[in-house]
Amino acid sequence: GENVEQHPSTLSVQEGDSAVIKCTYSDSASNYFPWYKQELGKGPQLIIDIRSNVGEKKDQRIAVTLNKTAKHFSLHITETQPEDSAVYFCAASMWSGFQKLVFGTGTRLLVSP
Amino acid sequence: DAGVIQSPRHEVTEMGQEVTLRCKPISGHNSLFWYRQTMMRGLELLIYFNNNVPIDDSGMPEDRFSAKMPNASFSTLKIQPSEPRDSAVYFCASSPSNDEQFFGPGTRLTVL
Repeated sequence: GENVEQHPSTLSVQEGDSAVIKCTYSDSASNYFPWYKQELGKGPQLIIDIRSNVGEKKDQRIAVTLNKTAKHFSLHITETQPEDSAVYFCAASMWSGFQKLVFGTGTRLLVSP
Repeated sequence: DAGVIQSPRHEVTEMGQEVTLRCKPISGHNSLFWYRQTMMRGLELLIYFNNNVPIDDSGMPEDRFSAKMPNASFSTLKIQPSEPRDSAVYFCASSPSNDEQFFGPGTRLTVL
């Protein structure tokens, strides 16, 4: 089955810096890669996603890149703000009647003012 | 919209007791998912319903776990009997299109 690895497990940056979180996946058939943000005491919330027919996607300060050959994808957050502090999860999925998401282990991002 | 609603938010019980977790998906969503989140295993899919029918229950740990969806607006996850290793945060999520999944706030279960 699919296996998703995520690095780093923790990331501390200063406000205004960029943050990069990286994930690798094992199943070349996976074709949907969402990123979720989880704040303390809340459920994960989708912030951006990308499909295997696209190499990069941007939404304001966040962007995701996908390298299908290397089977890795990354989340980039620019101009970080304290409210970006949260746990971020990547996931990979292959359509099998539904998006059966396999999640990474999470990255705790701390943005210091 | 109120989002996905889960109850209770916190549950503390003793080993051997029955536990029932409840979920109300977002109106109009035809897909519902139950997940479990632990430090050791991360976020794992337990079961997936489509149009109230269980489609994939391969993630259900064992027979002590059961899930039902009697109608489009309600689902339950039951653990009987509960064990300390069941302690985790349980999330319900719903989706209108099988892509973006909208998660509820979770139920933190502690089994003593």
